[in-house]
Amino acid sequence: GAGVSQTPSNKVTEKGKYVELRCDPISGHTALYWYRQSLGQGPEFLIYFQGTGAADDSGLPNDRFFAVRPEGSVSTLKIQRTERGDSAVYLCASSLMWDSNEQFFGPGTRLTVL
Amino acid sequence: AQSVTQLDSQVPVFEEAPVELRCNYSSSVSVYLFWYVQYPNQGLQLLLKYLSGSTLVESINGFEAEFNKSQTSFHLRKPSVHISDTAEYFCAVSTNNAGNMLTFGGGTRLMVKP
Repeated sequence: GAGVSQTPSNKVTEKGKYVELRCDPISGHTALYWYRQSLGQGPEFLIYFQGTGAADDSGLPNDRFFAVRPEGSVSTLKIQRTERGDSAVYLCASSLMWDSNEQFFGPGTRLTVL
Repeated sequence: AQSVTQLDSQVPVFEEAPVELRCNYSSSVSVYLFWYVQYPNQGLQLLLKYLSGSTLVESINGFEAEFNKSQTSFHLRKPSVHISDTAEYFCAVSTNNAGNMLTFGGGTRLMVKP
């Protein structure tokens, strides 16, 4: 079956612009996670959804970052007034339930802020 | 809060030699432990996991890891590596009371040479 998909695969933007990154989880997975992986580092947790609601957004670095999952499936990570330090690979993962112990990762979106 | 330390950022090894990738963690509560692998230009894939029971867990491609609670370690081993094992390996932990978000180490790049 289809895995987690993320679009776009690459995004280049200018400092100060707004970007949206999309994640399509595996069908039927209720939990969805966003992580950010900076160059040479491991992924860092940003936010996770159980269904439509953000159950934990403690990893979002500041109020320029926001994520939604209005129908409990597709999620969009939104970044306002992008900064060069936002450049990273943004990873999405999904799992069957919040207490499932395997997360399935998408290929990521590489964001470059010039 | 949890943290994960991968002591080696790069491990060069010759083909058919044994390898050990080290992982130590800290947590005030019980954890679940994972190793993920990221092949060049691919997404993160779960390699193996420890949830409970036997402290020695194995993957289908010959890797194994042993959970050592007293040393707070979860080192990854393979008795004989192949060129195709060249990849970035990430150790991660989660706790069941935290929505299962993963805390990753910084990664170890395994470079298998002919």
